[in-house]
Amino acid sequence: KAGVTQTPRYLIKTRGQQVTLSCSPISGHRSVSWYQQTPGQGLQFLFEYFSETQRNKGNFPGRFSGRQFSNSRSEMNVSTLELGDSALYLCASSLFQPNTEAFFGQGTRLTVV
Amino acid sequence: AQKVTQAQTEISVVEKEDVTLDCVYETRDTTYYLFWYKQPPSGELVFLIRRNSFDEQNEISGRYSWNFQKSTSSFNFTITASQVVDSAVYFCALRGQNFVFGPGTRLSVLP
Repeated sequence: KAGVTQTPRYLIKTRGQQVTLSCSPISGHRSVSWYQQTPGQGLQFLFEYFSETQRNKGNFPGRFSGRQFSNSRSEMNVSTLELGDSALYLCASSLFQPNTEAFFGQGTRLTVV
Repeated sequence: AQKVTQAQTEISVVEKEDVTLDCVYETRDTTYYLFWYKQPPSGELVFLIRRNSFDEQNEISGRYSWNFQKSTSSFNFTITASQVVDSAVYFCALRGQNFVFGPGTRLSVLP
């Protein structure tokens, strides 16, 4: 059974640009959640989706957005990139709600220069 | 507001020692879930355990054990007979209204 796949693994972008990250959950999982990990702020919850609906959102500015498709794949988008957006972005999938066991991908390392 | 505190930033032990990682949480929610995750150098988080607020039963899984005490708002994690492969950053997390992670404890197990 394939795990959670995040693409790309590494990304370098310039300030002001926008970026889209992709997450393919484990087959059959309907819940996808996103997290940002930085040395300064640690692990922070971004948002979660279940059956294409955003169920919860963390405390991040509107530049951070996401969506989930009918096949449960999810994308997150960051517009007008800032240097502080440099981070490891992790995606997790769960069978139902994230309260159940969540499986994480290896993350996308975003560097903003 | 929800908060998770992991007071130990880094711990070093010698292989075969027992080690306990502390986790203290704050929440006003009556229903909530507590988690422990392990993050090895590869970066992906590995789920270790989930506990809901109504289940204070301690749990043992192999060399791992967890002690949930609602009275002290603590959910501590003990590794018995530690091994080098246990070296990682361990995160305690709380899910109530929101999902909050602790700052993590970096465990180094020396051979």
